[in-house]
Amino acid sequence: KAGVTQTPRYLIKTRGQQVTLSCSPISGHRSVSWYQQTPGQGLQFLFEYFSETQRNKGNFPGRFSGRQFSNSRSEMNVSTLELGDSALYLCASRSGQGGEGTEAFFGQGTRLTVV
Amino acid sequence: SQQGEEDPQALSIQEGENATMNCSYKTSINNLQWYRQNSGRGLVHLILIRSNEREKHSGRLRVTLDTSKKSSSLLITASRAADTASYFCATETGTDYKLSFGAGTTVTVRA
Repeated sequence: KAGVTQTPRYLIKTRGQQVTLSCSPISGHRSVSWYQQTPGQGLQFLFEYFSETQRNKGNFPGRFSGRQFSNSRSEMNVSTLELGDSALYLCASRSGQGGEGTEAFFGQGTRLTVV
Repeated sequence: SQQGEEDPQALSIQEGENATMNCSYKTSINNLQWYRQNSGRGLVHLILIRSNEREKHSGRLRVTLDTSKKSSSLLITASRAADTASYFCATETGTDYKLSFGAGTTVTVRA
């Protein structure tokens, strides 16, 4: 079974631009979550989707958005990029209802650098 | 804000020694999970312990949970160079579909 796939792996963008990151979950997984990892703030929850519905959102500005498609693939978008958005963005998928008590499978991440 | 605090922040041990790291959290939890991350790559799930469990084992890993102290520990026995990584605890407090991570412990195993 293929793991969680994130594309692209690396990205360099200029301040003010927007970016879209993609995540393909493990086949059959309908829950997809996104996390931001920075040296200063650590791992922070962005949002979670299940069957195309956002079930929870972290404490991030509205510039951060996401969506999930009918095939469970997910994208997240960051508009008007700021230097502080430079981070490793991790996607995770879960089986079943994706709720409490299930293991999260993470992708390798997208390293975003904003210059 | 992070739910968990991990201690120590960094740990350096000799191959073959045991490594112990601790995680403390603030609110009641449903379960606590441990993950490993190699060199800024993706996280790998190690073990999950539920709030009604006190200890779990998986291979060379032993996890304990003390809900009265709101703390957990991860013990890696007979460490190997391949255990060099960052280790994170993550808690779930209910059906909010998210993991709240600690700051992590960086473990270096010297050959």
